[in-house]
Amino acid sequence: DGGITQSPKYLFRKEGQNVTLSCEQNLNHDAMYWYRQDPGQGLRLIYYSQIVNDFQKGDIAEGYSVSREKKESFPLTVTSAQKNPTAFYLCASSADSRGPQHFGDGTRLSIL
Amino acid sequence: GEDVEQSLFLSVREGDSSVINCTYTDSSSTYLYWYKQEPGAGLQLLTYIFSNMDMKQDQRLTVLLNKKDKHLSLRIADTQTGDSAIYFCAEINAGGTSYGKLTFGQGTILTVHP
Repeated sequence: DGGITQSPKYLFRKEGQNVTLSCEQNLNHDAMYWYRQDPGQGLRLIYYSQIVNDFQKGDIAEGYSVSREKKESFPLTVTSAQKNPTAFYLCASSADSRGPQHFGDGTRLSIL
Repeated sequence: GEDVEQSLFLSVREGDSSVINCTYTDSSSTYLYWYKQEPGAGLQLLTYIFSNMDMKQDQRLTVLLNKKDKHLSLRIADTQTGDSAIYFCAEINAGGTSYGKLTFGQGTILTVHP
């Protein structure tokens, strides 16, 4: 079945450590997105990519980095510069930048 | 800028209809979406409506759009306990911007009790 796979489901970060969240899609979608969700809030856009080898900052990009070397993969690195990383992270993709976005099952990141 | 507002809580009895409301501010919104999120899971796309439509029906779901008042609603007929979840309204402006940025409401927690 086509879909979006995020891993791991749960992740713990130590102080000063960078961690990378994986997002893979086999939907042949051009556009991919990373969102952050905090309790009782909607989703906020971190980074997005419309095409391979290109990505843009969203509303809350500070402390995060991404790469888009392959169409199907859009990993997110949460760096030590992100002082409040505890959240639920959701990856999404769409056929193009105007189409409906489909989401993975998320990664919950916590600080040790 | 864009803003999307939803009521935070809705409680209904099993078998009744649920109506979840949403208001938005961007008059250039092109598409409006409803997503469902179950505990610990990602968002599931339920349905969406183009801004040139007034209504869309899909099985138990009915979406109504009032463009004049910038009001969107999702009606779930014969609500079941499996419908208990958080429902997000989202809008996208696919017109003048170079990419389709989704703006989400804060979500409505629907609780269905027997």
